[in-house]
Amino acid sequence: GAVVSQHPSWVICKSGTSVKIECRSLDFQATTMFWYRQFPKQSLMLMATSNEGSKATYEQGVEKDKFLINHASLTLSTLTVTSAHPEDSSFYICSARAGGPFDEQFFGPGTRLTVL
Amino acid sequence: QKEVEQNSGPLSVPEGAIASLNCTYSDRVSQSFFWYRQYSGKSPELIMSIYSNGDKEDGRFTAQLNKASQYVSLLIRDSQPSDSATYLCAVNSESGNKLVFGAGTILRVKS
Repeated sequence: GAVVSQHPSWVICKSGTSVKIECRSLDFQATTMFWYRQFPKQSLMLMATSNEGSKATYEQGVEKDKFLINHASLTLSTLTVTSAHPEDSSFYICSARAGGPFDEQFFGPGTRLTVL
Repeated sequence: QKEVEQNSGPLSVPEGAIASLNCTYSDRVSQSFFWYRQYSGKSPELIMSIYSNGDKEDGRFTAQLNKASQYVSLLIRDSQPSDSATYLCAVNSESGNKLVFGAGTILRVKS
């Protein structure tokens, strides 16, 4: 299957700081990338859909000014958590859609964020 | 009514048995159906995709789709302890732009 990478795999930061997470499709071009958040023992929650060259579409209840998404190229999307607080601590996972007739989504390995 | 429903489990099966995981969905226009496996602390991994009614086999995995009844299932033959994970059913949304995930079924394979 297609490979999606994320960086960093884990990050610890102080409350009030901003954290940037990168998501890259390594062997295919992804016109659409998705950002999810998952709290322990809970379901995946879609945060936003990111289309290359256009503004991200955020799910209801997700603050677009707090979670900044940039999809500057067909292989890179970034999520910046601004002014992070302890309640933002979670597992952030991106996925990329390969396109074509099969429309499969491939997930990155995830980034575990801990805000102190 | 949830858009994609799965039994949360846990589903416990002995090693070597067939594990049967089921999923129902509410959107009749959905065209793409996926099964993901998620180990604890890891991200989901795509294991099967199915688009047409009937069965699709890949190694020990068989996906079954019945659009008339709006259900999709995953069979795991010769279950192994390494198959113990949460299995997520996903269906493309009406707009086709995003996937809708079920809450997942926890599978435990006992040796």
